[in-house]
Amino acid sequence: DAKTTQPPSMDCAEGRAANLPCNHSTISGNEYVYWYRQIHSQGPQYIIHGLKNNETNEMASLIITEDRKSSTLILPHATLRDTAVYYCIVQSTGTASKLTFGTGTRLQVTL
Amino acid sequence: SAVISQKPSRDICQRGTSLTIQCQVDSQVTMMFWYRQQPGQSLTLIATANQGSEATYESGFVIDKFPISRPNLTFSTLTVSNMSPEDSSIYLCSVEGQPNSYNEQFFGPGTRLTVL
Repeated sequence: DAKTTQPPSMDCAEGRAANLPCNHSTISGNEYVYWYRQIHSQGPQYIIHGLKNNETNEMASLIITEDRKSSTLILPHATLRDTAVYYCIVQSTGTASKLTFGTGTRLQVTL
Repeated sequence: SAVISQKPSRDICQRGTSLTIQCQVDSQVTMMFWYRQQPGQSLTLIATANQGSEATYESGFVIDKFPISRPNLTFSTLTVSNMSPEDSSIYLCSVEGQPNSYNEQFFGPGTRLTVL
């Protein structure tokens, strides 16, 4: 699986949009971009995934660049409950679904 | 989605002993995964457990240290054997989502293990 690079930490004011970047310059054509988050003392939680088109669900939006070498997770209106470590993972579907977690971005949402 | 429970939620153990962690899922799943999260670190996959076959271990993890059972499609156990303080971690199980879920995984709450 391709390796990802994320900033170690970010801050965001409550109510503002949180934009979390991820670089995956060696991504292969059949690999998807997945985002998970881990709130303190809990197991990771799936957020969203995409292949090459932008995706949106009730939690977040995922913007993938045209060359697919980077992506951005957007939390449109961050709340204190969004404080967590966010992991960007690239993975090809149809495999054994082994998730390779990087170091992630620790997002701190503040008042 | 799948609801996953783990027992115990936390434990403090003496070095040299063993602890068995249970993972229960509310639906039948083919694949279950066991991860370790050392203090302040990210998650590392230990092994993949399929029902009816031996678990597949990742590099750096061996069956003698982390034996796994998978007796049915809703349950698995991970044993941490002959523990040392370096085994102090959070151990998490996860399951693959249902078909057409794009390999989304659902995670249990974790078992926090401290070895003295």
